[in-house]
Amino acid sequence: GAVVSQHPSWVICKSGTSVKIECRSLDFQATTMFWYRQFPKQSLMLMATSNEGSKATYEQGVEKDKFLINHASLTLSTLTVTSAHPEDSSFYICSASRTGRNTEAFFGQGTRLTVV
Amino acid sequence: AQTVTQSQPEMSVQEAETVTLSCTYDTSESDYYLFWYKQPPSRQMILVIRQEAYKQQNATENRFSVNFQKAAKSFSLKISDSQLGDAAMYFCAYRHSNSGYALNFGKGTSLLVTP
Repeated sequence: GAVVSQHPSWVICKSGTSVKIECRSLDFQATTMFWYRQFPKQSLMLMATSNEGSKATYEQGVEKDKFLINHASLTLSTLTVTSAHPEDSSFYICSASRTGRNTEAFFGQGTRLTVV
Repeated sequence: AQTVTQSQPEMSVQEAETVTLSCTYDTSESDYYLFWYKQPPSRQMILVIRQEAYKQQNATENRFSVNFQKAAKSFSLKISDSQLGDAAMYFCAYRHSNSGYALNFGKGTSLLVTP
């Protein structure tokens, strides 16, 4: 099956610094990728939809200036958490699908971000 | 907007027994997909089974099967011959027929499998 690779798997950063998370589709081209956030024992909440070559579409309540998304190629989307604060600590997951109707979403391994 | 409801925060099943996880959803669309995902402690999302709304036949994948009731907007997952490795969070999800749309997840059901 298709593989989506997310890096890093975990990261610890200091308050006020920025962290970049990469999401790569390894064996297919993904016009659209999605970024989710998951708090402990909760469901996945969609943060934004990342479209190759255009601006990301953010869900209501998600600060676009804090969570910068770049989808520069058909195989790579990045999420940068800027000026991170402890409340940004969470599990971030990306997913991607091949273009088309009958296609499943493939998920990255997720990134556990801890801001100290 | 579509909503997905999982009314069972936790379920328990004995090894080799059968368990059913419930899911209901709300949508005004007629063409869509429904999914069950498993999230083990590693937190990697694993697709368990998928159902296309326009197909009347219930999807089946080995020990996993669904009961899809389109009119009732119900999509339950049945796990037969439960195994210890089935213990995980299970999420029901809805998606528009076009893969350019994101998955909309329920809150999840934590499944415990006892020996």
